[in-house]
Order: sequence, then structure tokens, then C-alpha cells
Amino acid sequence: GNSVTQMEGPVTLSEEAFLTINCTYTATGYPSLFWYVQYPGEGLQLLLKATKADDKGSNKGFEATYRKETTSFHLEKGSVQVSDSAVYFCALRRRNYGQNFVFGPGTRLSVLP
Amino acid sequence: EAQVTQNPRYLITVTGKKLTVTCSQNMNHEYMSWYRQDPGLGLRQIYYSMNVEVTDKGDVPEGYKVSRKEKRNFPLILESPSPNQTSLYFCASSLDGVRERRDNEQFFGPGTRLTVL
Repeated sequence: GNSVTQMEGPVTLSEEAFLTINCTYTATGYPSLFWYVQYPGEGLQLLLKATKADDKGSNKGFEATYRKETTSFHLEKGSVQVSDSAVYFCALRRRNYGQNFVFGPGTRLSVLP
Repeated sequence: EAQVTQNPRYLITVTGKKLTVTCSQNMNHEYMSWYRQDPGLGLRQIYYSMNVEVTDKGDVPEGYKVSRKEKRNFPLILESPSPNQTSLYFCASSLDGVRERRDNEQFFGPGTRLTVL
């Protein structure tokens, strides 16, 4: 079946450190891939997305590249800020299934000043 | 302001007492969806609706009902809640449920935290 696996959290970093959150997926066909961010007490917000192999999504200094050969979509940021503290969800959307998303379990990031 | 609203935001109830969580969007979106969020499991889709009077089951529909009589509203109904339905619930909407387009982003509501005793 379709599934998304993320690295276990929580992840704690100092400000300006480099961030990587690993995400791998299992899916039939060629899904679209997403990263969502959830700030405390809020709903999810779309951070970035990629719809085909080798696409790179980017937003607010975050990047992720759709790697079909390794079925991965790792999230990276070169220099994190305290305001990046949140829970990050990797997700896929199955083709021809509308907006039927499959989410990973989420990774909590804490950035210390 | 474009938004998805949910009510109530917090609810504590007892086993078997019927409840409804409302969801409304003001963006004229065709597609709406309900998710539950549980620790270690991420978000799992309960039901979705491609348009008025068109609903379908997601991955975890058991124990839930939905209706879509109007475009803007998509209530989630628990006819006989049980403790395993204690969770954080999110409603979401998007322009439509099919097209890969830059503006077809899924917007989430603020969440409803439900506790069933």
C-alpha cells in the first residue's frame, strides 16, 4: 500500500544549524509529494511540494527534491531559526485519487537560541 | 479573510452521546475533507467530498458520518462516540480534488480537540 516514513523526533538544534528531516515513501505510480508545517495550536500549512521526479520544491529557505530512484523527499534548510520550531509532516497525494493524502507521523523540531 | 473554521475547538463528551463538529469554508472550494491526528500516526483521512452531495470514505471512516448539502459546509457526525475516537480533528478544503495546479493548495482549519470519556 501507500505509506510515508519520517525520521523519529524530536529534533533539537541550535539557531543557524543545518536541518535535514528524512522522508521516504512507498506508493504505486507517481505520487505528488509535500511538506506541511504545523505551528503550536494551529492547523497544517503547506510548506513546499513537488509533483514529478527531480522537481525541487522550495519556500522560506526550506528545500526538498523528489528522488524517484531512492523514493525520498528529504527536507533541508541551511540555517534554522527559533521561529522554525514546529512539527513537520511529509505527505504524498495519490494520482487520480483526488486530494486523498497519506501523511507521515510528523517530526517535531525545536530550535534553541 | 479566506479561512476554514471549525466548531467547537474543544469538546469533552461521554460515550454514546451523539455529536457534530461543524466545518465551514468561505473560499467557494469544491473539495473538503476530514482528518484525525493521533500521536505517532500523523493525519489520517476520515471522509472527503468532491462537491455538493458527493462524499466518499477515506482511510478510517468507521464510526463517522458526513454530509455535504451546501458547498461551504461539511459537518462531521459521530452518532455514538467511543473513547477510541478521542483525537484532534482537522477539516480541510481546496479548489478541487483533481487538478495538479499551483493554486490548488489544501487549506486546513484550526482543529477540534475531542475527548470521549
